[in-house]
Amino acid sequence: DADVTQTPRNRITKTGKRIMLECSQTKGHDRMYWYRQDPGLGLRLIYYSFDVKDINKGEISDGYSVSRQAQAKFSLSLESAIPNQTALYFCATSGIGGTGTYEQYFGPGTRLTVT
Amino acid sequence: AQKVTQAQTEISVVEKEDVTLDCVYETRDTTYYLFWYKQPPSGELVFLIRRNSFDEQNEISGRYSWNFQKSTSSFNFTITASQVVDSAVYFCALSEGRGGANNLFFGTGTRLTVIP
Repeated sequence: DADVTQTPRNRITKTGKRIMLECSQTKGHDRMYWYRQDPGLGLRLIYYSFDVKDINKGEISDGYSVSRQAQAKFSLSLESAIPNQTALYFCATSGIGGTGTYEQYFGPGTRLTVT
Repeated sequence: AQKVTQAQTEISVVEKEDVTLDCVYETRDTTYYLFWYKQPPSGELVFLIRRNSFDEQNEISGRYSWNFQKSTSSFNFTITASQVVDSAVYFCALSEGRGGANNLFFGTGTRLTVIP
């Protein structure tokens, strides 16, 4: 089983709809992240959470909200989706690995299309 | 402010040629980590390497090698004898802070196409 899972993997929704993207991890990591990937722009950080009670805005948080329901779960919500939120969304986790440094793991991505 | 620049947007090579992907970074921290990720057409991100700022030794892993030079703030990636399976988008990324604990800042990626 994958260490970081994202649901759904693909979603098409209409402008104005509320949508939630979910992320779960079995790595036991404290830190979780949501990134967005747009063509030609690389990955940009939306929100991050260093533990259940610690949530922080990233570079492009406007139009998004998050919920850290448990150590293993971190959800991203679009309260009212708009077409320019069409993108590939990645969840990631990080924690100290065997090397004593933080290692990051990415989920498989969720492709979201807003029409 | 931190920044990662991948000036090469797209590169095409013929199979078996060597290719180097450039990465230049900016940071004010003395402790930081640099990464390379591969994104094949299927879309997932595949971790390739992590290098900390105190280790400038070059690294080789099979056909892959990395050249880290602090003097030029560069962390370049070379694929030797390229293969069609190397076709992907490659991202360079930077994480500041001790242990690579903080968020990743990504470059815009280089799309590599290996022509058979």
